[in-house]
Amino acid sequence: GAGVSQTPSNKVTEKGKYVELRCDPISGHTALYWYRQSLGQGPEFLIYFQGTGAADDSGLPNDRFFAVRPEGSVSTLKIQRTERGDSAMYLCASSFAWANEQFFGPGTRLTVL
Amino acid sequence: DAKTTQPTSMDCAEGRAANLPCNHSTISGNEYVYWYRQIHSQGPQYIIHGLKNNETNEMASLIITEDRKSSTLILPHATLRDTAVYYCIEVNYGQNFVFGPGTRLSVLP
Repeated sequence: GAGVSQTPSNKVTEKGKYVELRCDPISGHTALYWYRQSLGQGPEFLIYFQGTGAADDSGLPNDRFFAVRPEGSVSTLKIQRTERGDSAMYLCASSFAWANEQFFGPGTRLTVL
Repeated sequence: DAKTTQPTSMDCAEGRAANLPCNHSTISGNEYVYWYRQIHSQGPQYIIHGLKNNETNEMASLIITEDRKSSTLILPHATLRDTAVYYCIEVNYGQNFVFGPGTRLSVLP
């Protein structure tokens, strides 16, 4: 079956712009996670959804970052007023529930010029 | 910050067992040990997890010491495709996963 998909695969934007990153989880997975990963580092947790609600958003670095999952399936990570330090690989994962195997997507590479 | 410590890198000969250690000296009774790996340019991939008992699946074995303060991931017959960064994660139920820098395993021909 289809795995987790993320679009776009690459996004180049200018400092100060707004970006949206999309994640399509595996069908039936109620849990969805966003991570970001800088070169040479492990993934850094951002936010975890259980269904439509954010069960844990403690990893969002500041109020420029926001994520939604309105129908409990597709999720969008939104970044306002992008900064060069936001440049990273943004990874999405989904699972049947917390503690189950997380399936990761291929990521979106964000570059802020 | 990650609560586990792992060696930065390891080498293993193709066909031999790869034994990847992980220290989680502050682990509590309800915390699981998870292992993921990340092959270059791909998202992380789940390998195995355990609480107290040793675990085995089609990919690997997980050996957890009796005091639970350390564990070892064993890839019984490493192949070149097992070259990746391996992450050991200590996590309580419902908490978020904190990935450290992991161990970069190089399987050599």
